[in-house]
Amino acid sequence: KQEVTQIPAALSVPEGENLVLNCSFTDSAIYNLQWFRQDPGKGLTSLLLIQSSQREQTSGRLNASLDKSSGRSTLYIAASQPGDSATYLCAPNSGGSNYKLTFGKGTLLTVNP
Amino acid sequence: NAGVMQNPRHLVRRRGQEARLRCSPMKGHSHVYWYRQLPEEGLKFMVYLQKENIIDESGMPKERFSAEFPKEGPSILRIQQVVRGDSAAYFCASSPQGGREKLFFGSGTQLSVL
Repeated sequence: KQEVTQIPAALSVPEGENLVLNCSFTDSAIYNLQWFRQDPGKGLTSLLLIQSSQREQTSGRLNASLDKSSGRSTLYIAASQPGDSATYLCAPNSGGSNYKLTFGKGTLLTVNP
Repeated sequence: NAGVMQNPRHLVRRRGQEARLRCSPMKGHSHVYWYRQLPEEGLKFMVYLQKENIIDESGMPKERFSAEFPKEGPSILRIQQVVRGDSAAYFCASSPQGGREKLFFGSGTQLSVL
């Protein structure tokens, strides 16, 4: 059974700081891993999708890495902004299924102006 | 191109009533997934549907819950005889094809059972 842990549970940083969010998962037999952000009262927005054959993906100020063998992924946010404040969720798909995502509880990020 | 549309945004039901949650996938998407987020917990997979077919319902509670995705119209998640423990945020996602691609999520339906 896939289990996902995200550390830290909450993070507060001043604007402009670079930061790293960590995700670990127990079943390394994944097809891909997605990072989402969730804003209060809203749905999830997909940020990055990394296929199992990839090591990293970049989109703007975001960079996600994947080390499948060790069951780890990181999301790096450069030059953080107050608009980045949200809950960030890591979701690998469950072993044996290429569509069933297992979510962590997320990291609540607050970027202070 | 409108995103995944869920309605209602908020639904209040008394114990024993039925709840019907609707999801219209993004245009061109024929694969729909339902997830549930209980308070203080991560989202959990419930069911995966294609048009007129249930592909995987391994995350659905055995009783009172059902889902459909008819040939025409939105996908429906139906909860019969709701109990307080059903109070949660229910999210729908869609994708153009099943499998190794991004899922696009709706804003969710917050179900409150009194």
